[in-house]
Amino acid sequence: EPEVTQTPSHQVTQMGQEVILRCVPISNHLYFYWYRQILGQKVEFLVSFYNNEISEKSEIFDDQFSVERPDGSNFTLKIRSTKLEDSAMYFCASRGVEGAADTQYFGPGTRLTVL
Amino acid sequence: GESVGLHLPTLSVQEGDNSIINCAYSNSASDYFIWYKQESGKGPQFIIDIRSNMDKRQGQRVTVLLNKTVKHLSLQIAATQPGDSAVYFCAELLNSGGYQKVTFGTGTKLQVIP
Repeated sequence: EPEVTQTPSHQVTQMGQEVILRCVPISNHLYFYWYRQILGQKVEFLVSFYNNEISEKSEIFDDQFSVERPDGSNFTLKIRSTKLEDSAMYFCASRGVEGAADTQYFGPGTRLTVL
Repeated sequence: GESVGLHLPTLSVQEGDNSIINCAYSNSASDYFIWYKQESGKGPQFIIDIRSNMDKRQGQRVTVLLNKTVKHLSLQIAATQPGDSAVYFCAELLNSGGYQKVTFGTGTKLQVIP
């Protein structure tokens, strides 16, 4: 069964450093998403991406965040200058175009720890 | 404002019993409501969804009930198994021009006692 993959599984960084979280969505999917989950809290929407542009973003997704689909397979989330409060699990998701409620498939997540 | 929340943070059930996980929502404009299962160290996994114009939908061992009058959503798991132990999130899905936005609730931890 096809699945969304994410690398690395765990990223440790110093405050102020840039990080890039990588995702490989399911190959024939066209809609891509990033979510984050702070430890013990709910999953929060960050951004959705379609046709090489952001379709929607939340208030969390400020100027420190950016997304990119650099090639036909990867979807990345960049945090330019990490803050302590960016520590969280970051989930990538993708979906196809079969219907309005076509399921979003989530990756296993990247745990980001900012020291 | 819109919000999706859960009544119970932890639910313990005996193996073989039925489980009922509840959720309250406040945004009536949602197109679908979804239940996700999240096991430790993994991403959310889709379980079942229900369109906003339905009141019941059944899957394999799971049933979702939607009561729009009181803005309440529930997930029923029949014959709960140890593998069902996880955190369950309800979520609402809004469609806009082909784009989706999923808003998650806070989650209920289901503990299955063998």
